[in-house]
Amino acid sequence: QQQVKQSPQSLIVQKGGISIINCAYENTAFDYFPWYQQFPGKGPALLIAIRPDVSEKKEGRFTISFNKSAKQFSLHIMDSQPGDSATYFCAAAENNDMRFGAGTRLTVKP
Amino acid sequence: DTGVSQNPRHKITKRGQNVTFRCDPISEHNRLYWYRQTLGQGPEFLTYFQNEAQLEKSRLLSDRFSAERPKGSFSTLEIQRTEQGDSAMYLCASSLGSANTGELFFGEGSRLTVL
Repeated sequence: QQQVKQSPQSLIVQKGGISIINCAYENTAFDYFPWYQQFPGKGPALLIAIRPDVSEKKEGRFTISFNKSAKQFSLHIMDSQPGDSATYFCAAAENNDMRFGAGTRLTVKP
Repeated sequence: DTGVSQNPRHKITKRGQNVTFRCDPISEHNRLYWYRQTLGQGPEFLTYFQNEAQLEKSRLLSDRFSAERPKGSFSTLEIQRTEQGDSAMYLCASSLGSANTGELFFGEGSRLTVL
């Protein structure tokens, strides 16, 4: 069922650094690509999302880069903070079918 | 609290027992989704409802799994004759439109442990 591949599994960055998480998808019918953030004991929460008609979307310190031809997209977290330490999931959706990547556990060291 | 509510938060059961989880979505949301999340993995889609209609159930993991949303409001997920492999977090989410038009709002999940 896993149609979205995410890497790396875990990531450690220093405070103030840039965190980069990558995802690749297979189904070209996907037309919505969100990133979700999950803290321990909580459900995932939407962080930022993009549609395939744009190549980049920025919201504050979070940027999605999207490469439709390569079927890849990535999340960049600028000026990473300890409070960003969480698990991040990329996802891809077609209608009501949303598939998630396996997640990246991000640790930002102070 | 106007978010998605799930109960119980934790359930420990013995193999072979039946368990039921309840999800109360955000009140104006007509779509409701059930996902399973195992340790170190992303949420895995199980089924979804639009109002009271279950429009996708082919991804329920086996015929031991069933879900209902009788009046288009809350939903229940039942697992019959539980197995140790059913141990996981069961997440419910709701949305106003389809999953590819906006945000899915997730509850905090119901953690199942099968002994």
